[in-house]
Amino acid sequence: KQEVTQIPAALSVPEGENLVLNCSFTDSAIYNLQWFRQDPGKGLTSLLLIQSSQREQTSGRLNASLDKSSGRSTLYIAASQPGDSATYLCAVRLEDSSYKLIFGSGTRLLVRP
Amino acid sequence: GEEVAQTPKHLVRGEGQKAKLYCAPIKGHSYVFWYQQVLKNEFKFLISFQNENVFDETGMPKERFSAKCLPNSPCSLEIQATKLEDSAVYFCASSFVPRTGNNQPQHFGDGTRLSIL
Repeated sequence: KQEVTQIPAALSVPEGENLVLNCSFTDSAIYNLQWFRQDPGKGLTSLLLIQSSQREQTSGRLNASLDKSSGRSTLYIAASQPGDSATYLCAVRLEDSSYKLIFGSGTRLLVRP
Repeated sequence: GEEVAQTPKHLVRGEGQKAKLYCAPIKGHSYVFWYQQVLKNEFKFLISFQNENVFDETGMPKERFSAKCLPNSPCSLEIQATKLEDSAVYFCASSFVPRTGNNQPQHFGDGTRLSIL
C-alpha cells in the first residue's frame, strides 16, 4: 500500500530564506507526482507536476525534484515571501489504471515578515 | 467554466439527515474525482468518474454514500443518514485526459465543508 510522508509537518522561516520541503513515498511505481498549495479555507492550487520520467520541474521561484527510485521528492522555494505562507501537499498518482491521487499530510509553512 | 465549482460552501446537517454536495467540473474535463479531507490534512480518495460512468469507486464507503455525474448536470455526492464522523471538507477535482499521454494535473474546487451536529 502506497504511503506518502511529508517532513517537516510545520516550518517557520524569516522572509527571504530559501527552503526545502520533503516528500517521500513507499512504492516507487508512480506515474507522476504533484505539489499543491492549500490556503486556509480554500481548495488546492496545483503548483508543479513531475512525470515519472522527469527529474525536476521549475515554475518561478519554485523547483520540484523527483528521485523515483529512492521514493523522494523535494520542493525548493527560493527567496521566500510572507505570501508563500500556506500548507504544501504532495500527492502521487500510481502506475495503474486509476487516476486517483494519494496525498501526504502536508507541511504548514509560515514565512515571517 | 474555467474553475471547478462546488456548492454549497458550507452545509450543516443534524445527525441522521441527508447531505447532498454538488460539483461542476471545468468545461472539457472528462474526469471528476471526489476526495474527503478530515483532520490534519488527511485526504482520502472516494470515487472518480469518466464522463457519466463510474471509473473507480474503491474509496467509497459501502453504505450511505452515493455519487452521480449525469449529462448536462453538476456531479453530486450524497450521504444518507449522516453520522458525526462524516464531518469533513469534501473536495471535487477534474482532469483532462488527452488521447496521447495522461500526465495532466487534477484541478480542485474550494470544497464543501460539511458539519454534522
